[in-house]
Amino acid sequence: DADVTQTPRNRITKTGKRIMLECSQTKGHDRMYWYRQDPGLGLRLIYYSFDVKDINKGEISDGYSVSRQAQAKFSLSLESAIPNQTALYFCATSDTTGTSGSYEQFFGPGTRLTVL
Amino acid sequence: GDSVTQMEGPVTLSEEAFLTINCTYTATGYPSLFWYVQYPGEGLQLLLKATKADDKGSNKGFEATYRKETTSFHLEKGSVQVSDSAVYFCALNSGGSNYKLTFGKGTLLTVNP
Repeated sequence: DADVTQTPRNRITKTGKRIMLECSQTKGHDRMYWYRQDPGLGLRLIYYSFDVKDINKGEISDGYSVSRQAQAKFSLSLESAIPNQTALYFCATSDTTGTSGSYEQFFGPGTRLTVL
Repeated sequence: GDSVTQMEGPVTLSEEAFLTINCTYTATGYPSLFWYVQYPGEGLQLLLKATKADDKGSNKGFEATYRKETTSFHLEKGSVQVSDSAVYFCALNSGGSNYKLTFGKGTLLTVNP
């Protein structure tokens, strides 16, 4: 079973609709992240959470909100979707102690979102 | 702030060719460095990492050496295979209080038989 799962894997929606993307993890990590990937731009951080009560904006948080319902669950919402939010969205996790001090992140398979 | 600059693609090679994907970085302190790989239709997977200067990360025939003097972490493989076709991302984590990853823009590698 995958350690980091995302639902849905694909979603097509219309401008103005509210969309929620969900992420669950079984790794027991306390830190979770949401990124978006656009061609030629790499991955950009939207929001991150150090634990259930600690949520922080990333570099491109405008138009997005998040909810950390439990240590294992971190949801990303688009309150009113717009076409330039069409992208591939990734959830990631890491633990506090890190492995050999590197704090590597583990990624889910991604959600492809299209906003028409 | 932190930044990662990697070689722009796409890169197209024949099977068994030598691969180099350049990566340089700007960071405060002593970052950890990573190469992630994204196969078609999949999420990112950690390929290799290095946590201090002169460390060499290696995995699946790929290698990268953490060069502090040149702020570089170039990815190399001596003989690529068709199955290596993917997007490769260089990334750094400068630690501190948030442990965020800063990514390069990615390099698409296509290996032809």
